[in-house]
Amino acid sequence: ETGVTQTPRHLVMGMTNKKSLKCEQHLGHNAMYWYKQSAKKPLELMFVYNFKEQTENNSVPSRFSPECPNSSHLFLHLHTLQPEDSALYLCASSHPDSNQPQHFGDGTRLSIL
Amino acid sequence: GESVGLHLPTLSVQEGDNSIINCAYSNSASDYFIWYKQESGKGPQFIIDIRSNMDKRQGQRVTVLLNKTVKHLSLQIAATQPGDSAVYFCAESTSYGKLTFGQGTILTVHP
Repeated sequence: ETGVTQTPRHLVMGMTNKKSLKCEQHLGHNAMYWYKQSAKKPLELMFVYNFKEQTENNSVPSRFSPECPNSSHLFLHLHTLQPEDSALYLCASSHPDSNQPQHFGDGTRLSIL
Repeated sequence: GESVGLHLPTLSVQEGDNSIINCAYSNSASDYFIWYKQESGKGPQFIIDIRSNMDKRQGQRVTVLLNKTVKHLSLQIAATQPGDSAVYFCAESTSYGKLTFGQGTILTVHP
């Protein structure tokens, strides 16, 4: 049990579909993050939320739309994705302090047909 | 620019040996460093961290060493076990919550 739960664990979708990834944390953190992990690449930060407010968008295409309704939940809404978007999408949370570790969920393995 | 890289993409050791995984970073302003372990099908798991005002920190069977002069970070695992087989990432931080990750080193422990 990592304290950060992501659903679904696996998702296969067509390029015209709309789906959402969900992340929930039970660690009392106020900062949440979305990362993309592709084969043979370092983790790429996508979005950062602090106290429900988006504080960073790392030049992510608009076909990815994050939502943070409260400090415990984070969503990533997906629409009209491309094959190169196939990857492992990881959610993390932390205390909003630059010297605190981020704790990760086990990710959603996304495959775009 | 900011970057974190690893010297060795793979490391194979025998069970019971000590393992050393290395990491180079390029941003001298980095003040916080973390090591993560990622097993197959799982997310990165926090192992140990160190702040720039320290040069060594020990945990259970793990030690992190920081050499700010040459911008080098290492993770030492004592008495490596098969369960330690995973990908190990170092990450650095220079500002609020933004971690920069290296590519990772694959550690394989042979029984």
